[in-house]
Amino acid sequence: LAKTTQPISMDSYEGQEVNITCSHNNIATNDYITWYQQFPSQGPRFIIQGYKTKVTNEVASLFIPADRKSSTLSLPRVSLSDTAVYYCLVGIYNQGGKLIFGQGTELSVKP
Amino acid sequence: DVKVTQSSRYLVKRTGEKVFLECVQDMDHENMFWYRQDPGLGLRLIYFSYDVKMKEKGDIPEGYSVSREKKERFSLILESASTNQTSMYLCRGGYTFGSGTRLTVV
Repeated sequence: LAKTTQPISMDSYEGQEVNITCSHNNIATNDYITWYQQFPSQGPRFIIQGYKTKVTNEVASLFIPADRKSSTLSLPRVSLSDTAVYYCLVGIYNQGGKLIFGQGTELSVKP
Repeated sequence: DVKVTQSSRYLVKRTGEKVFLECVQDMDHENMFWYRQDPGLGLRLIYFSYDVKMKEKGDIPEGYSVSREKKERFSLILESASTNQTSMYLCRGGYTFGSGTRLTVV
C-alpha cells in the first residue's frame, strides 16, 4: 500500500481557504485517493475521493496532478467547526478497500 | 444515509474477560474493518473481511479474533482482555465508520 505524507498540523482563520497537500510517491495504477475528517471521540468521516484531475462536492475540492504523486484537499472558507484531523489515504477502490491511516493533519481554525 | 452501528459507546471490562465488540452495517457492503485508535499511534488496522466467513489479519491482530457469520455483522473478539487493549475501537463498513467503542480494561 502506498505511504502518504502530510503536514502534522496547520493553522488557519475563519473565512480563509485551506489547502492541505499530501504526497504519495508510490501510488499504484489502481489506487484512488481518499480524504477523511475526524473530530475528537468520533469515527472518521468520509469527505471526498478522486482518481485524477479535480473532484468537487459540497464540502471540499480535491486536486490531483497528472502524475498523481500528490493531492491537495481544498476547504473553502473554513469555520471554527472545521477544526479537526484530516487524513489522506490511497487504496484500491473497492467499497473502501484496505485503507491504512497515517498521522493525519491537525487543522486548527481560529476566530 | 448509510449507517454503521457499534453496539456500545463505552465499555469497562476486567482483565482476562472475553469481550465482544459488535458492528452492524446496513449498506450491504462486502468489506468491513476493525481499527483501534490510540494517542500518538493513530488508527491501526486489526482485522478485515471481504465477505461472509472470510477474514484477514491487519497490522496488529495479536490478541484479537473476528467473526463474520452474516454480511451485515462483523464482530471483534478479545479472547482474554488485557490492560494494553484499552483503546478506542472503530468499525468501518465500506467508506463509513461507526461512532466508536471506548473500551477500558481494568
